[in-house]
Amino acid sequence: DAKTTQPNSMESNEEEPVHLPCNHSTISGTDYIHWYRQLPSQGPEYVIHGLTSNVNNRMASLAIAEDRKSSTLILHRATLRDAAVYYCILRGPSGTYKYIFGTGTRLKVLA
Amino acid sequence: SAVISQKPSRDICQRGTSLTIQCQVDSQVTMMFWYRQQPGQSLTLIATANQGSEATYESGFVIDKFPISRPNLTFSTLTVSNMSPEDSSIYLCSVGTESGANVLTFGAGSRLTVL
Repeated sequence: DAKTTQPNSMESNEEEPVHLPCNHSTISGTDYIHWYRQLPSQGPEYVIHGLTSNVNNRMASLAIAEDRKSSTLILHRATLRDAAVYYCILRGPSGTYKYIFGTGTRLKVLA
Repeated sequence: SAVISQKPSRDICQRGTSLTIQCQVDSQVTMMFWYRQQPGQSLTLIATANQGSEATYESGFVIDKFPISRPNLTFSTLTVSNMSPEDSSIYLCSVGTESGANVLTFGAGSRLTVL
């Protein structure tokens, strides 16, 4: 199974950009890179996903390395409500639709 | 994206009893996923529930302990059997878009405390 590696925790000041890194050196050619976040006492929620090109949506941007072995989730202006655990995940075994979660990065936003 | 309702949202259970968690989706989906999140930990996939067939369990999870039903394309249940304090966790139901990127949607979770 393709695995992901993320820092356990990061801190950011409010209103500043945050770059959350993820390594996925064993990614296969057809794996999408997904990011989810889990706010306190809630189920995970979708943030963004990509395959090869960088992606933007209203929540964040996703920068994907040219070799696809790493990616970075970018929150352009962190707010206190962005404090959460952020998970970078890939599909499980080829041909399945299941996803395996890693440990994630706990983002703390400082006022 | 799909909307998922899970019941109960939380419960306190006695050791040795069993509890069934329900997951209702507002659209038809082929696969439903059950995850466990132990205190302070990440999510661990328990099993994949397909309508009309036996659930597929991940390593470390067995049907006798976590029986799953999938009677139709919008509903599934997960039972936690013969509970012990180690089963105290949040149990989450999830579905995907089942095409292309298969973006996941999660229920709010069922927080079980076993005394």
